[in-house]
Amino acid sequence: GQQLNQSPQSMFIQEGEDVSMNCTSSSIFNTWLWYKQDPGEGPVLLIALYKAGELTSNGRLTAQFGITRKDSFLNISASIPSDVGIYFCAGQLRSGANSKLTFGKGITLSVRP
Amino acid sequence: NAGVTQTPKFQVLKTGQSMTLQCAQDMNHEYMSWYRQDPGMGLRLIHYSVGAGITDQGEVPNGYNVSRSTTEDFPLRLLSAAPSQTSVYFCASSYGQGLAEAFFGQGTRLTVV
Repeated sequence: GQQLNQSPQSMFIQEGEDVSMNCTSSSIFNTWLWYKQDPGEGPVLLIALYKAGELTSNGRLTAQFGITRKDSFLNISASIPSDVGIYFCAGQLRSGANSKLTFGKGITLSVRP
Repeated sequence: NAGVTQTPKFQVLKTGQSMTLQCAQDMNHEYMSWYRQDPGMGLRLIHYSVGAGITDQGEVPNGYNVSRSTTEDFPLRLLSAAPSQTSVYFCASSYGQGLAEAFFGQGTRLTVV
């Protein structure tokens, strides 16, 4: 089946630094999404991308839909302690009503004050 | 707005017991889904529904049943609990974009002993 690759499993950065996360797939997706999960909570949608090449920002977050449709990246600028959490990428290949999401395994981000 | 509500938050079961995890959403979303989250595995789709009366299997459906008699509710039934079903379970709902742009509940942490 389809798989999304996120690596490394964990990242450690200093407060104020920028960080970039990549997500790659062997399959094409028509939608890319980035979610963040805080400890003990459900994932929360950060950014949704619907068009190859699309670059979208949400505050300090910027994400891009790769032009090959097989990858996406998320950039966090000027990190702060509350950026700590697990970041998941997800892809969707729409085919009518059966438009399932495939999730990556997530990257755990730690921010040192 | 309550969003997506899952009950219970925590549950311990003995092997062979059955139980139902409840999920309700008050956003009139068509699409609902159940995921399980295991360490290092990301989120894996168990079952999903594209509308009342319609359900389908996801990636890991074995040992679970679902039904969707109303738009609001999407319960997940464990027929005969096994230790391999120890996990954190998330219910999600979404509108218009299939399973993308999903709103997640806070999760149910299930332990099977």
